Amino acid sequence: GEDVEQSLFLSVREGDSSVINCTYTDSSSTYLYWYKQEPGAGLQLLTYIFSNMDMKQDQRLTVLLNKKDKHLSLRIADTQTGDSAIYFCAEGPMNTGFQKLVFGTGTRLLVSP
Amino acid sequence: DVKVTQSSRYLVKRTGEKVFLECVQDMDHENMFWYRQDPGLGLRLIYFSYDVKMKEKGDIPEGYSVSREKKERFSLILESASTNQTSMYLCASRSLRGHGYTFGSGTRLTVV
Repeated sequence: GEDVEQSLFLSVREGDSSVINCTYTDSSSTYLYWYKQEPGAGLQLLTYIFSNMDMKQDQRLTVLLNKKDKHLSLRIADTQTGDSAIYFCAEGPMNTGFQKLVFGTGTRLLVSP
Repeated sequence: DVKVTQSSRYLVKRTGEKVFLECVQDMDHENMFWYRQDPGLGLRLIYFSYDVKMKEKGDIPEGYSVSREKKERFSLILESASTNQTSMYLCASRSLRGHGYTFGSGTRLTVV
């Protein structure tokens, strides 16, 4: 079945760049998503990428997709303490009709001043 | 903005109690989902619903049931709560025309 893997922890200093990595196994995945979960809250959609794209940039966020290696990364430029959270990647098929996403275990990002 | 509301942020229940977790969304979304979140295990899908009156088992349905009598409301039921059901429960919804899911704030359930 599908599987999505992430490392559990990442620690960076304020102002540095953060890179959170994700690998997935489902070769039919069409959409890949990044969600952010702040303490005590639900998940918030940050960004997503379609599988025919290599890169997507949105302000401080850059998503890179290596479809051959089934590797997805999220780069956060100029990381701030407010970026401290758990980041989940998720993959899923075309979004028409029913869409069941498979989530990774989440990466806890800790940003120190 | 789409809103997914979970009725309780924190709940403490006793072993053996029947527990109802309620989730309401206000944007006419067709799909709804219940997940539990545990440290190191990420999100695990309990049940989902394609549309009103429809329900399907997810990856870990044992000990749970669901109800979706109205499109906006998806209830998770713990028939007889046990300590291993202590967890954070997250509800999500999705429109057929949208991207990804919209999540509620979660209910942290403790079974003692």
